[in-house]
Amino acid sequence: GAVVSQHPSRVICKSGTSVKIECRSLDFQATTMFWYRQFPKQSLMLMATSNEGSKATYEQGVEKDKFLINHASLTLSTLTVTSAHPEDSSFYICSAVDRRTDTQYFGPGTRLTVL
Amino acid sequence: EDKVVQSPLSLVVHEGDTVTLNCSYEVTNFRSLLWYKQEKKAPTFLFMLTSSGIEKKSGRLSSILDKKELSSILNITATQTGDSAIYLCAVSDGTSYGKLTFGQGTILTVHP
Repeated sequence: GAVVSQHPSRVICKSGTSVKIECRSLDFQATTMFWYRQFPKQSLMLMATSNEGSKATYEQGVEKDKFLINHASLTLSTLTVTSAHPEDSSFYICSAVDRRTDTQYFGPGTRLTVL
Repeated sequence: EDKVVQSPLSLVVHEGDTVTLNCSYEVTNFRSLLWYKQEKKAPTFLFMLTSSGIEKKSGRLSSILDKKELSSILNITATQTGDSAIYLCAVSDGTSYGKLTFGQGTILTVHP
């Protein structure tokens, strides 16, 4: 079946550093990927839509200069959390739509902890 | 703005019980409603519903959509401890391909 991977699965960093998270669709091409964040015991909140070959579309309230998204190929999108602060600590999940089946698949998530 | 509301927010049952989870939605241009199960990591896909009144079934899980009432239910029969998870309902807006709006989720706990 369709698989979406994320790397790293867990990262701990110091405040002020930048962290890059990769999202890959392993057996299908994804022109569109999505980035979510999830706080403990809460639902997924969409941060942005990543479009291959064009700029990402950010949801209201999400700082595009802080959360940089690059969708350089049909199977890879990256999210860079710049100048991370403790309040950025969260579970970040990406997803990709397999247009062959119109089904959205989620990556395993990345747990970011900013000290 | 699209909106999805799930109820109950949490539910505690014993093994063998049957549970019904509810999802209601408001969406400008409805495309589909999806159910996901989330354990420790990212959500895993359960069902996608597009047509009203047609039940989708997978083992002990089943789901149905009511477009007139703008709602869906997810049923789990003969629950097992492995069913303990957060169940997420999401709607897809046809205006923005693939974009999902999630409900708050229902935390299901099944005790032995």
